[in-house]
Amino acid sequence: EAGVVQSPRYKIIEKKQPVAFWCNPISGHNTLYWYLQNLGQGPELLIRYENEEAVDDSQLPKDRFSAERLKGVDSTLKIQPAELGDSAVYLCASSGTGRSGGELFFGEGSRLTVL
Amino acid sequence: AQSVAQPEDQVNVAEGNPLTVKCTYSVSGNPYLFWYVQYPNRGLQFLLKYITGDNLVKGSYGFEAEFNKSQTSFHLKKPSALVSDSALYFCAVVDYKLSFGAGTTVTVRA
Repeated sequence: EAGVVQSPRYKIIEKKQPVAFWCNPISGHNTLYWYLQNLGQGPELLIRYENEEAVDDSQLPKDRFSAERLKGVDSTLKIQPAELGDSAVYLCASSGTGRSGGELFFGEGSRLTVL
Repeated sequence: AQSVAQPEDQVNVAEGNPLTVKCTYSVSGNPYLFWYVQYPNRGLQFLLKYITGDNLVKGSYGFEAEFNKSQTSFHLKKPSALVSDSALYFCAVVDYKLSFGAGTTVTVRA
């Protein structure tokens, strides 16, 4: 069974440029998450989708971040424009239970470096 | 508000010795508690969870965790550590969302 797939694994951009990350969850998983992980810290939830609906986006900085999951399968997270402080690892995860039974399956992450 | 705390940034043990990684939690209701492990440049991997039932939970790779309601703790343990257990370990709690602790770096020396 294929796991959560993320791309790109690494991205280096200059500040003020846009960037996008893509995630394909495990087949059949209705719940999809985007987490932000700074170096040496635990992941922090950015947004959670139940199918195509964003049910928790309270921590998403909406002035520059956006996300979509149009068909309830794969998802894209965008940053425009990127700032130096956005340098981090962006993790995507999926789970098969709506309330988040907690057993999330994570992708390997997309490491962003903003210069 | 829900939260977990991992009081130790780093844990160092010799191979073959017992390993304990500490976690305490704070939630308003019954806790759903989890441990995840992260190897370098990899995503997080699920180790084990406590939802209800026995306080001692067994998980992957020989790890176990003990839920202690009176001490609001959920410490991760392994009786005999391996060098390959060296990684970053995260405790997490679910109330309405999964929230992670800051992580503990475990180094097992040969």
